Amino acid sequence: QGQLQESGPGLVKPSETLFLTCTVSGGSVRGHYWTWIRQPPGQGLEWIGFINDSGGTHYNPSLQSRALISVDKSKNQFSLRLSSVVTADTGRYYCARLNYYGPLYYMDVWGKGTTVTVSS
Amino acid sequence: ENALTQSPGILSLSPGERATLSCRASHSVSSDYLAWYQQKPGQAPRLLISGASNRATGIPDRFSASGSGTDFTLTISRLEAEDFAVYYCQHYTSSAPRTITFGQGTRLEIK
Repeated sequence: QGQLQESGPGLVKPSETLFLTCTVSGGSVRGHYWTWIRQPPGQGLEWIGFINDSGGTHYNPSLQSRALISVDKSKNQFSLRLSSVVTADTGRYYCARLNYYGPLYYMDVWGKGTTVTVSS
Repeated sequence: ENALTQSPGILSLSPGERATLSCRASHSVSSDYLAWYQQKPGQAPRLLISGASNRATGIPDRFSASGSGTDFTLTISRLEAEDFAVYYCQHYTSSAPRTITFGQGTRLEIK
């Protein structure tokens, strides 16, 4: 089923760009959809965006102007770039596989998450 | 945008009791794209149910789910200590613009 591992800086300054990477092990990044989700401290889950197996991307409308998801097949990774961060971007960031089986879509493999703090 | 509203926000029950969690969509959705997740403190969410009623691999049969249209339910038949957690419903919109929406969660706590 594979495993996912997020990596990136734990601290980012306001107005800077956050860059996170998710490394896929035990499977290939090819042929799947991949997504990023975040969770502010003490709050619920918020979808950021996903990239499909053709490289097409879809984003939460509230983040679309600042988020960019890409895949690096040579490294078996996918990444999230979030520009112009503000303190409200602080939280736990998760990568996950958006799997599909027949007509069903669901997120079945998750990374453990990485904590990002936006602060000067 | 299709919003998902979960109720109750907090559910206090004792081990051995039955838990019923609700997820209501603001517009009718396809059951194929409705999933449920469990999240324990300090952990990533875990897939419980896909397609509104299909248990994921390794999920005990005390977990069941049903629903269609705008109303979906997750039921835990006999609560065990490990079941106390936060539960989220989630929907994937297959038509443009493709989006993923989560409910705000139901916290299941020990009474």
